[in-house]
Amino acid sequence: EAQVTQNPRYLITVTGKKLTVTCSQNMNHEYMSWYRQDPGLGLRQIYYSMNVEVTDKGDVPEGYKVSRKEKRNFPLILESPSPNQTSLYFCASSLGLSGEQFFGPGTRLTVL
Amino acid sequence: QKEVEQDPGPLSVPEGAIVSLNCTYSNSAFQYFMWYRQYSRKGPELLMYTYSSGNKEDGRFTAQVDKSSKYISLFIRDSQPSDSATYLCAMSPKWGGADGLTFGKGTHLIIQP
Repeated sequence: EAQVTQNPRYLITVTGKKLTVTCSQNMNHEYMSWYRQDPGLGLRQIYYSMNVEVTDKGDVPEGYKVSRKEKRNFPLILESPSPNQTSLYFCASSLGLSGEQFFGPGTRLTVL
Repeated sequence: QKEVEQDPGPLSVPEGAIVSLNCTYSNSAFQYFMWYRQYSRKGPELLMYTYSSGNKEDGRFTAQVDKSSKYISLFIRDSQPSDSATYLCAMSPKWGGADGLTFGKGTHLIIQP
């Protein structure tokens, strides 16, 4: 089954404790993206990757890091999480950034 | 002025009603217009997309684009409780390129049984 998986689905952590959210896709897509979704603000792109070892900032990259060492994986790293990063996070993969995005199930992150 | 405006709702209608969801935009370069549906606790999924102006129909769903007014609509006929979800419009100048999508904030739709 073609899918994007994310782990964990739910995470509660404390300020400053480094965390990683994993994302994996099995569709051999070139592009992968991370979004955050907040009430009243909608979906906002954090980072995207056009291929292995090629990443670029989206609209709200501050406080986040990404890496793309393998085509199928695109982890999101929060090195020092803060409460304003409490949000619902989605990973997506696609053939192109502006084509159909295939979203993962989401990771709900709470930073205390 | 934001690039894409979408009323967040909630929009609550009785089962069987015709639903109209809308977005307005300001960037005249947008050529591809998409509607994503997001159920609670799920990621968005592409429902329909259209290119340039005109209508596109898929079952009970019709997507309409009026580029002269910079206005797009999604109509749902014979609405069902299973249509209850958040609907996000998204737009782009190209399909499959590297320009990215511009999303609306989504409209929360509730179909009352």
